[in-house]
Amino acid sequence: AQSVTQLDSQVPVFEEAPVELRCNYSSSVSVYLFWYVQYPNQGLQLLLKYLSGSTLVKGINGFEAEFNKSQTSFHLRKPSVHISDTAEYFCAVSALSGSARQLTFGSGTQLTVLP
Amino acid sequence: DTAVSQTPKYLVTQMGNDKSIKCEQNLGHDTMYWYKQDSKKFLKIMFSYNNKELIINETVPNRFSPKSPDKAHLNLHINSLELGDSAVYFCASRRQQETQYFGPGTRLLVL
Repeated sequence: AQSVTQLDSQVPVFEEAPVELRCNYSSSVSVYLFWYVQYPNQGLQLLLKYLSGSTLVKGINGFEAEFNKSQTSFHLRKPSVHISDTAEYFCAVSALSGSARQLTFGSGTQLTVLP
Repeated sequence: DTAVSQTPKYLVTQMGNDKSIKCEQNLGHDTMYWYKQDSKKFLKIMFSYNNKELIINETVPNRFSPKSPDKAHLNLHINSLELGDSAVYFCASRRQQETQYFGPGTRLLVL
């Protein structure tokens, strides 16, 4: 079985500052990794994903994440945040469970960008 | 133009009632899911269907019954609603090994 740990439940940061949202996972099989964003009262939107290949993946809205297999991490970063980045961010891992590929989510990190 | 749609968007009902939430995807995906997001924003998978066949059925009360009339639809019927069922329910779909796309959610409040 796989699991995902998001180490920070809340991250306040000032506008134009850099931010890193941390994510660690555990799985006994190879995984796909995702970051989703949920704006208030909305559904989940894919930010970026790692399936294979380059360990540095770039997503929408200037976000990027780096897959580190030895540390089982997939931290999300943005060099300069905007007020509009305020949202809940979910890290997720997809691994085979029986015959099906199942997505397991972390508990979420609330990013609050302050003016 | 909507990829994954859910109806209704909001649902307020009394304890003990039976209600259904509908989900449709126009992406041609093979697999559809239902997730529950609780008040602490924790997301947990409930069910998954592949080509109208149930493939994931997590520990969910029998009062919850998914129904997939065809590949593009996965509905969720809930019997005898309880206070603890209040949550946001998300439908999602995916093709084979690709990304899951989520619907906008259905906010259920049981009074």
